[in-house]
Amino acid sequence: GAGVSQSPRYKVAKRGQDVALRCDPISGHVSLFWYQQALGQGPEFLTYFQNEAQLDKSGLPSDRFFAERPEGSVSTLKIQRTQQEDSAVYLCASSLVGSPLHFGNGTRLTVT
Amino acid sequence: TQLLEQSPQFLSIQEGENLTVYCNSSSVFSSLQWYRQEPGEGPVLLVTVVTGGEVKKLKRLTFQFGDARKDSSLHITAAQPGDTGLYLCAGEATGAGSYQLTFGKGTKLSVIP
Repeated sequence: GAGVSQSPRYKVAKRGQDVALRCDPISGHVSLFWYQQALGQGPEFLTYFQNEAQLDKSGLPSDRFFAERPEGSVSTLKIQRTQQEDSAVYLCASSLVGSPLHFGNGTRLTVT
Repeated sequence: TQLLEQSPQFLSIQEGENLTVYCNSSSVFSSLQWYRQEPGEGPVLLVTVVTGGEVKKLKRLTFQFGDARKDSSLHITAAQPGDTGLYLCAGEATGAGSYQLTFGKGTKLSVIP
């Protein structure tokens, strides 16, 4: 596709439910990032992949958050036992190594 | 932890006015990027500044990187309603972990026709 695609665009989850957020990066982009953007805030780094290898997961808020990119293309961010503080927009970005990031339009997660 | 402070947080101006948005830190960055984000969309890169003292122009937008590479400004001349949006600065760290961008909280700009 022409850009980074994220699905679903909106997700409402009840507290305690598990959710999975998908990111389809631009074809050929080696680097993939997940960021979390809370309301009124700038994006905050969660994790970074280079191909299928997760090189940095230091931004993941807790062990309830898990990300994978098994074939070096599509990535999934999973949040287990969602809490209200997990409500945010989750942004995925991809790039060639050392090149500018291309962001998707995000998934807005609301935990009720 | 590297922090980027943006000011002002909100700005509402009339069409045709000029404005400046500031991005400040106590940390040195290898580069600084400016993004614009519209509601429901991801940030879109406007410019990257790399060299201390660098000035880049993008039509009516002028970006400056401080000499010490700790701060930056964005100046818009003759603002138009199409400039409305959230402006984010993001710093790229030096050394290990340089792929990680640190974002400011953003400046929400409204340009009134």
